[in-house]
Formats: sequence, C-alpha cells, structure tokens
Amino acid sequence: DIQMTQSPSSLSASVGDRVTITCQASQDISNYLNWYQQKPGKAPKLLIYDASNLETGVPSRFSGGGSGTDFTFTISSLQPEDIATYYCQQYDDLPPRVTFGGGTKVEIK
Amino acid sequence: EVQLVEFGGGLVQPGRSLRLSCAASGFNFDDYAMHWVRQAPGKGLEWVSGISWNSGSLGYADSVKGRFTISRDNDKNSLYLQMNSLRTEDTALYYCAKDGSDSGGPFDYWGQGTLVTVSS
Repeated sequence: DIQMTQSPSSLSASVGDRVTITCQASQDISNYLNWYQQKPGKAPKLLIYDASNLETGVPSRFSGGGSGTDFTFTISSLQPEDIATYYCQQYDDLPPRVTFGGGTKVEIK
Repeated sequence: EVQLVEFGGGLVQPGRSLRLSCAASGFNFDDYAMHWVRQAPGKGLEWVSGISWNSGSLGYADSVKGRFTISRDNDKNSLYLQMNSLRTEDTALYYCAKDGSDSGGPFDYWGQGTLVTVSS
C-alpha cells in the first residue's frame, strides 16, 4: 500500500506569510495527488487536483506542485479565512484505492 | 446544485451491523465513481471504500475489508455502505463523496456526514 507522509502536522504563521506544506509518497504516484481544506465542523473541500490544477472558484493564492513522490502545497499570502486543516490525497483507479496524508493544521500567529 | 445527503448513522453495539445510505442529486449519478470517507473524533480523514460508475470495480481500506460492503443503485441515485461486525474503532463521522471521474479521481463534492458510534 502507498503511504503518504505529510509535514508539518501543524504550523503557526502570520497574516500575509507564505505557507508551504509537503507531502511525500512511498512510491511514484505520477501526478495523482489532490489537496483538500477542512474547516472545523465542515466537510472537506477540494482545492487542488492532479498536483497542480486549481479547482474552479478557489482563490489563486493556493497552489500545488510536484510529481512522482514529492509534492508541495502553498498559500502565497495567508488570510484569516485560511485557518483550517489541509490534507493531501493520492488515488488509484481500477480498483479505487485512496490514501490521505495525516493533515496539517494551520493557525494564525 | 450537487447535493449528497448521508443517513443511517446512529449508536450500535460492537459486533452488530448498520447500513448507511447517501442520496445524490444535481448531477448524472451513473457517470461517476463514489466513495465513503470517515473521520474519527479529533482525527484525520480515512478513505473507507470506493465504487466505479457501473459497480464493476470496488475498493476497500484494509481496516474494513471483509466487514464492509459498498454498493450503489443508479436508478435510485443512491450509494450504500453495509457495515457488519462493527468495532469500537469504527466510530466516526462517515462522509459520502463524489468522484470527479467514472473510476478514480479527486473528490469534488462531499456530504455533511452521518455519525456512527459503536459502543456497548
């Protein structure tokens, strides 16, 4: 099974800071990597799909990159409404097989 | 507007069974794979199971394989999760999620979840 190692598990940054989260796969997953945002008490929301594609309606301060085993998620200028936990996710099809990273809780300093 | 509404959760004793349902609307249900994802209290997301558009391909997490069965009824726009031999560690909020493709891709819509509590 593919393991996803996400770091850090939490971070505290100031409004306007650049924030970067990393996700490492235990084997090559090409670009089959997505990023989600989950605010307290809410369902997760898709932000980035296929490593670097911004989901429709998501602000451009969010971005993703990487391929193979190493991936990054960046918030270019942290806003108060970005307080949430962020998860990476890899997926295979046929049969469906999905693994989430452990999550990164983002707080305002 | 895409809507996913889960129901069927509740309090159940260890070893018993429960069946979750997810009613979908606002999209062509039979064009997309669907998934169940759970989140234990205070914990991260855990994928539970997924099913392709035509039920031809099914996948399960190792933690539920042999105990849980995913199914769908495209005529009723519904997704199901039959959970047998429940354990205390199955206690979680269970989300239904729509796949962005017919067999495997990003989860572009999620329901609000139904809570399953396994306790004696």
